Amino acid sequence: AQRVTQPEKLLSVFKGAPVELKCNYSYSGSPELFWYVQYSRQRLQLLLRHISRESIKGFTADLNKGETSFHLKKPFAQEEDSAMYYCALRAGSNYKLTFGKGTLLTVNP
Amino acid sequence: GAVVSQHPSWVICKSGTSVKIECRSLDFQATTMFWYRQFPKQSLMLMATSNEGSKATYEQGVEKDKFLINHASLTLSTLTVTSAHPEDSSFYICSSSNVGQGNSYEQYFGPGTRLTVT
Repeated sequence: AQRVTQPEKLLSVFKGAPVELKCNYSYSGSPELFWYVQYSRQRLQLLLRHISRESIKGFTADLNKGETSFHLKKPFAQEEDSAMYYCALRAGSNYKLTFGKGTLLTVNP
Repeated sequence: GAVVSQHPSWVICKSGTSVKIECRSLDFQATTMFWYRQFPKQSLMLMATSNEGSKATYEQGVEKDKFLINHASLTLSTLTVTSAHPEDSSFYICSSSNVGQGNSYEQYFGPGTRLTVT
């Protein structure tokens, strides 16, 4: 069975500081990894996916199969980045998503 | 992006009654819809996968007779919480999978429904 671990429940940084939200997964095959974000009083929305290898709102994430990690990074955090971030995994042809428990990011002014 | 709505956004009901939550994909056809449950400050737990025109597939530990799911059309799925109890109080979220081309079946999430059972 697949599992997604986000070790940090809370992460607090100052504006302009680098931020890294950790995500580790366990799955025997080749998974698809995603980061979802939920801003205050808004719905969950896709931030980025590993297959796209893109930068969204300054965030990037690289899939490291050796370390089974998919950490989310941004070099200079902004106050508007404050939100709940969920790492998610989709395994094989099954379209179900397995979510981590989420990390609440607070960017202080 | 695709838009998914849920109705109602919040509902309060008495123990023993049933509550129906609707999930609609407004601008695309969704062959697959997912129902999640989210406890306060916790992650989303998948309850069931709903495919249009067929029976839902429930996750282990989810009572199918208690959480009735119907996916009668490509734009509507409903979740009925039967004989609700206070422990069913939670935030219920649906998502729809866009059947399009080259989108790797991305899930679009509804805003959620807050259920409180008194």
